[in-house]
Amino acid sequence: SQQGEEDPQALSIQEGENATMNCSYKTSINNLQWYRQNSGRGLVHLILIRSNEREKHSGRLRVTLDTSKKSSSLLITASRAADTASYFCATDSSGYSTLTFGKGTMLLVSP
Amino acid sequence: EAGVAQSPRYKIIEKRQSVAFWCNPISGHATLYWYQQILGQGPKLLIQFQNNGVVDDSQLPKDRFSAERLKGVDSTLKIQPAKLEDSAVYLCASSLMGSWEGLGAFFGQGTRLTVV
Repeated sequence: SQQGEEDPQALSIQEGENATMNCSYKTSINNLQWYRQNSGRGLVHLILIRSNEREKHSGRLRVTLDTSKKSSSLLITASRAADTASYFCATDSSGYSTLTFGKGTMLLVSP
Repeated sequence: EAGVAQSPRYKIIEKRQSVAFWCNPISGHATLYWYQQILGQGPKLLIQFQNNGVVDDSQLPKDRFSAERLKGVDSTLKIQPAKLEDSAVYLCASSLMGSWEGLGAFFGQGTRLTVV
């Protein structure tokens, strides 16, 4: 079963704009992670936020976590064409580092 | 550091045939995952190993899928017999045991299986 549900399913923006995608999940978590997948490089880990954290930054990425609403958002600032990819949230809620992925958001950044 | 190695990259088989995929995780990573990703969907966990023990195989179709991780290092995933709906990319990933250290899981390039 898939724990996370990303929204929107697809997003199309221009270079330089910000991209925001959201993830909702159903059960309590230990941490939530975001991954990027493009045809060239496969699935790549972007950022991890633990259940006791509310916000985290990494370069142009900003992740927020609201455990009361069981939701997270990923913001990519100043998007580039190279950011074109599918983005997945993955939750760890088992205590065994089991990762459950959502269906993903497809981001298209046009030059 | 070397990444997660998977082979083959592509495989085409007829339905009812058998197929095997191989994965070599990053050295020192105790946790190994096999995921199935159907086109347009997110990865679905098939089985998770911690060293050579199974942590979660609740979504593995055990009547046709099997996996092993001998000596807690590399792993094989087998499908026998294959069905048309098994057409997907099979992803192997590994991670440090019990502690994410902010690094997440490392994924291989995957094996694209087409069942005809």
